[in-house]
Amino acid sequence: GAVVSQHPSWVICKSGTSVKIECRSLDFQATTMFWYRQFPKQSLMLMATSNEGSKATYEQGVEKDKFLINHASLTLSTLTVTSAHPEDSSFYICSARDQPGSVGELFFGEGSRLTVL
Amino acid sequence: AQSVTQLGSHVSVSEGALVLLRCNYSSSVPPYLFWYVQYPNQGLQLLLKYTSAATLVKGINGFEAEFKKSETSFHLTKPSAHMSDAAEYFCAVSDHNNDMRFGAGTRLTVKP
Repeated sequence: GAVVSQHPSWVICKSGTSVKIECRSLDFQATTMFWYRQFPKQSLMLMATSNEGSKATYEQGVEKDKFLINHASLTLSTLTVTSAHPEDSSFYICSARDQPGSVGELFFGEGSRLTVL
Repeated sequence: AQSVTQLGSHVSVSEGALVLLRCNYSSSVPPYLFWYVQYPNQGLQLLLKYTSAATLVKGINGFEAEFKKSETSFHLTKPSAHMSDAAEYFCAVSDHNNDMRFGAGTRLTVKP
């Protein structure tokens, strides 16, 4: 199946700093990528839909100025957590479909665990 | 709006016993349904999917699920549990807009 890779897999940062997480589709082009947030022992919460070449679509309650998403190419989307605070600590997962416009499965990255001190 | 409900946040079975993880969906259009598995500190891996073809869907690792429209259910089963099946399982629903929503998850524990 298609491969989606995230980097870094884990990061620790100080409060007030910004952290960038990359999501790459390694063997296919992804016009749309999805960013999820997962709290311990909870489900995935869709944060935003990242569209190549255009602005991301954010879910209700997600601060777009806090979680900056850039989808500059068909194989790369980035999530930047700006001025991170301890409550931003979480597991962030990206996903993509390898067949745009069809209801195929989502391929997930390995996830990135962010810890804000 | 579409959604899924997973009954039971934690299921414990003995090795070799039947695994049954429950999922009910709500959708205003014919749904596409999925089961994913997540191991600790990893992303999600697709077990199986239903996309309006056969109602009984067979997936990887011996898992299968049956789509029952009358019951709005898509329960996941495996005849004989293995220790390696211990993980978190998520049911998900998607519509024609390709927006996927996940259930709360069910943690499966397998006892020796």
